[in-house]
Amino acid sequence: EVQLLESGGGLVQPGGSLRLSCVASGFIFSNYAMTWVRQAPGKGLECVSSISGGGTGTKYADSVRGRFTISRDNSKNTLYLQMNSLRADDTAVYYCASGWNFFDYWGQGTLVTVSS
Amino acid sequence: DIQMTQSPSSLSASVGDTVTITCRASQGISNYLAWYQQKPGKVPNLLIYTASTLQSGVPSRFSGSGSGTDFTLTISSLQPEDVATYYCQEYNSAPFTFGPGTKVDIK
Repeated sequence: EVQLLESGGGLVQPGGSLRLSCVASGFIFSNYAMTWVRQAPGKGLECVSSISGGGTGTKYADSVRGRFTISRDNSKNTLYLQMNSLRADDTAVYYCASGWNFFDYWGQGTLVTVSS
Repeated sequence: DIQMTQSPSSLSASVGDTVTITCRASQGISNYLAWYQQKPGKVPNLLIYTASTLQSGVPSRFSGSGSGTDFTLTISSLQPEDVATYYCQEYNSAPFTFGPGTKVDIK
């Protein structure tokens, strides 16, 4: 059974940093691209960042480029999202999901709240 | 960036009705379109990809069609468990954009 378990969310002040993690199990992690998708409270879905299976290819939404960094450790079956210079409009539930184009497995999400 | 619109934004239908949701892209995206279902308080679930391919395990009452700029998601014989918000998503060119969603409930 595929499982994706996110962690690392919480309350952070504007300008602060957080690192999200997503531990994968039930599939060969290194064979799959992974994506972070976020959902602001009561709002729709936004692709934040994606990384290829080997980690050499990445892409970012314009809204986070230069502030967020996606990475992965295939030896630990873990995906990361380093978030710096956080802003109030980064407040959202952050989901990790498998895939580069469309997303077939999703984690339960971790809530990031940016507020003073 | 490609913009995605959906109509209607919400609808209410009776159990057993056929429901159709429309998704439109601001430019042609071939058939690079996916549909997701998000039930209240739950995680999004992939229903359809490449515009019309049903994801494994998804009930056959869900179907998708379209190409280019205009797409539809059809639910034949609406069931109570289909109450959810439905999102389309293009993956023709990054950033891959979701539509704003269509909320479906039971009349």
